[in-house]
Amino acid sequence: AAGVIQSPRHLIKEKRETATLKCYPIPRHDTVYWYQQGPGQDPQFLISFYEKMQSDKGSIPDRFSAQQFSDYHSELNMSSLELGDSALYFCASSFRGSHEQYFGPGTRLTVT
Amino acid sequence: QQQVKQSPQSLIVQKGGISIINCAYENTAFDYFPWYQQFPGKGPALLIAIRPDVSEKKEGRFTISFNKSAKQFSLHIMDSQPGDSATYFCAVLLQGGSEKLVFGKGTKLTVNP
Repeated sequence: AAGVIQSPRHLIKEKRETATLKCYPIPRHDTVYWYQQGPGQDPQFLISFYEKMQSDKGSIPDRFSAQQFSDYHSELNMSSLELGDSALYFCASSFRGSHEQYFGPGTRLTVT
Repeated sequence: QQQVKQSPQSLIVQKGGISIINCAYENTAFDYFPWYQQFPGKGPALLIAIRPDVSEKKEGRFTISFNKSAKQFSLHIMDSQPGDSATYFCAVLLQGGSEKLVFGKGTKLTVNP
């Protein structure tokens, strides 16, 4: 079965640079979620989109923005990167109302 | 304030044994309780989930027990195998619109051969 696709899988950036993470949800899933997971920590919700509209927002820094496109893929844009932004970033997708969120393999972002 | 408390933080079990991980929550508005399994460097994988209208759900070697009055739910892994060694997260989801999962802190399970 098709899974959530994330790209790139690994990304190394310097402080103050920008990064763009991409997420392609499972086919026919209409809702996308972004989570951030620090080393040894639990995933923390950042933001979600349903039908291209932002549906919920968590502890996402103002330096980050995201959007969902007409083909349901989503992009997380991160600017003025800080060392503390180094983490695993996961995208998850679901069919609205099903509650079942399926996670992608993640993007490991390292800020040096 | 942590919305879901998970214990233990780490667990070591012998092959063939039963692994039990517990979670407790405060907000009675949660209406979906999944468990995720995560291997190092991988994404969390949905293992099993339960809604508050049932007290138990079993899928293969994995069982969720749910105690609504005590606001607790637990994951039981029967006949634990070395391949089950991973970090397990419980999570909760609020009813009524918000779809964000709130996770417990995780339990690192090690199953010795």
